[in-house]
Amino acid sequence: DAKTTQPNSMESNEEEPVHLPCNHSTISGTDYIHWYRQLPSQGPEYVIHGLTSNVNNRMASLAIAEDRKSSTLILHRATLRDAAVYYCILRDVAGGYNKLIFGAGTRLAVHP
Amino acid sequence: DTEVTQTPKHLVMGMTNKKSLKCEQHMGHRAMYWYKQKAKKPPELMFVYSYEKLSINESVPSRFSPECPNSSLLNLHLHALQPEDSALYLCASSQGGAREKLFFGSGTQLSVL
Repeated sequence: DAKTTQPNSMESNEEEPVHLPCNHSTISGTDYIHWYRQLPSQGPEYVIHGLTSNVNNRMASLAIAEDRKSSTLILHRATLRDAAVYYCILRDVAGGYNKLIFGAGTRLAVHP
Repeated sequence: DTEVTQTPKHLVMGMTNKKSLKCEQHMGHRAMYWYKQKAKKPPELMFVYSYEKLSINESVPSRFSPECPNSSLLNLHLHALQPEDSALYLCASSQGGAREKLFFGSGTQLSVL
């Protein structure tokens, strides 16, 4: 599985936008970019995924660089409930399609 | 129903005990997963079942024995565990493709004494 690199931690203030970066310079053409988050004392939950185009859903937006070597998860207005560990994961649709391998992730703190 | 239910939520066992963790989903998902998570670390994949057959075993020690009795149920049988096996055990399910999202349960917090 291709590797991702994320900052260990980030901080934000409530109601401000948050941009969580992810580098994946070895991404292959068939890798989907997935984001999950894990709130304290809970299992991970799906946030968003994309292949080439930017994606929006009710939770967040995903901005993918034109060369696909990096992406950014955007939380438009952070709330205290968004404090979590955010994982950027590459999933290969052509290979071992059932694997979801977590990296170290970014721990996001949100201040009131 | 978009829930993955894991029982028990907490489990304490001795090194000579035999216990089982249970996971259930009713979303019609064909892939089910076991992950292990140590404190402050990311989840580590242990096993993947696809259409009730074991498709991935990430070199997990044999003291962990998975079982998928039907498409809704996934068990993890534990025997002769070590204290270092203490962790949060997470179950997940998905439709199976790389585009498909995984739904996770809240986990079973296991302590081995």
